[in-house]
Amino acid sequence: RKEVEQDPGPFNVPEGATVAFNCTYSNSASQSFFWYRQDCRKEPKLLMSVYSSGNEDGRFTAQLNRASQYISLLIRDSKLSDSATYLCVVNGKGSARQLTFGSGTQLTVLP
Amino acid sequence: NAGVTQTPKFQVLKTGQSMTLQCAQDMNHEYMSWYRQDPGMGLRLIHYSVGAGITDQGEVPNGYNVSRSTTEDFPLRLLSAAPSQTSVYFCASSSGQVYGYTFGSGTRLTVV
Repeated sequence: RKEVEQDPGPFNVPEGATVAFNCTYSNSASQSFFWYRQDCRKEPKLLMSVYSSGNEDGRFTAQLNRASQYISLLIRDSKLSDSATYLCVVNGKGSARQLTFGSGTQLTVLP
Repeated sequence: NAGVTQTPKFQVLKTGQSMTLQCAQDMNHEYMSWYRQDPGMGLRLIHYSVGAGITDQGEVPNGYNVSRSTTEDFPLRLLSAAPSQTSVYFCASSSGQVYGYTFGSGTRLTVV
């Protein structure tokens, strides 16, 4: 079983739609959780951290369920510029300083 | 503020050659890491460092060496390049695990 699992997609949604991505992780001792976005042939960029109480940043909402070891990202009112690959990231096995990345979920927002 | 700078951006090597991928950050971050990204595999950790003079292996360390003589620099050395090392390499830095990492723009390496 992979340490971090994501649905690879692709997700193709119209502008203005709401889309949700899910992620599960295997290490119950994980303490840090993030969503990154990666545009084609570019570096990953931090989108938002994920906190136990859930957190929101504009159109983006992240949720964490420690009991189920599940992380989600909700994007409301999708824009063309949201088209990217979204990476779920947790600190992995061994040292707490190591981050483990999911393989990513590809999103295309259509006009 | 340059952030994380990687050089070169592109490189072609012949099998058996060695080279060093450079990474420098100007944010005074203690944590630095090297990842490789292959299609369908996601990013995999090669080596990481939690401060000058301290390095450790990640998930896929074989064939790579690192050193951290200063806070700013974290070079990755390929000892004897193999076609399996064809990949995109990202360097990243962080001030602490709760803050996430800032990535460099990557080095696209092809080994022929």
